[in-house]
Amino acid sequence: GNSVTQMEGPVTLSEEAFLTINCTYTATGYPSLFWYVQYPGEGLQLLLKATKADDKGSNKGFEATYRKETTSFHLEKGSVQVSDSAVYFCALTVNAGGTSYGKLTFGQGTILTVHP
Amino acid sequence: DAGVIQSPRHEVTEMGQEVTLRCKPISGHNSLFWYRQTMMRGLELLIYFNNNVPIDDSGMPEDRFSAKMPNASFSTLKIQPSEPRDSAVYFCASSPNHSSDYTDTQYFGPGTRLTVL
Repeated sequence: GNSVTQMEGPVTLSEEAFLTINCTYTATGYPSLFWYVQYPGEGLQLLLKATKADDKGSNKGFEATYRKETTSFHLEKGSVQVSDSAVYFCALTVNAGGTSYGKLTFGQGTILTVHP
Repeated sequence: DAGVIQSPRHEVTEMGQEVTLRCKPISGHNSLFWYRQTMMRGLELLIYFNNNVPIDDSGMPEDRFSAKMPNASFSTLKIQPSEPRDSAVYFCASSPNHSSDYTDTQYFGPGTRLTVL
């Protein structure tokens, strides 16, 4: 089956620190990979995505590269801000012969807290 | 666009009562997903629809849960009877799914926080 494993949190950083949140996956088929972010009291929203190997997704200073050889999609940001405090979810979808309709498999989420 | 709309935002009910959660997807989106989020189990997919047809309900925890999508602009998730262990945040998400590889973004609503006493 499909599964996503994220590094355990919570992660606590000071403002301007470097961020890495690890994500690895297993998939039956060729997955597309996503990072979603959930701010307090809100629903999830797409942060970035990559649909094939070696693609790099990027948005709001965050980046993640699709590494097929290591089955990974680690999230990075060079300098975090207090406003980045949120829960981050790694996810994948596999187009199973057109029957999955974009069904996402999520990791357990990683809580990030950034202090001034 | 208004985004995915869910109602109510908060629901407090007593054990045994019927609860109905509502969702209006983004206009033009073909797929709709219901999720449940708890601290213990994280984010769980309950059921999803494509073009108003249920595709996979294997995530529905038990027969007390049911979901319908009578038209492209409305879906309900019903719990009858409700139990305290159903307390969670329930999210609805919609996706255009116009791309042939189904990599379109899912757009989440703000969620309904359900508390069953």
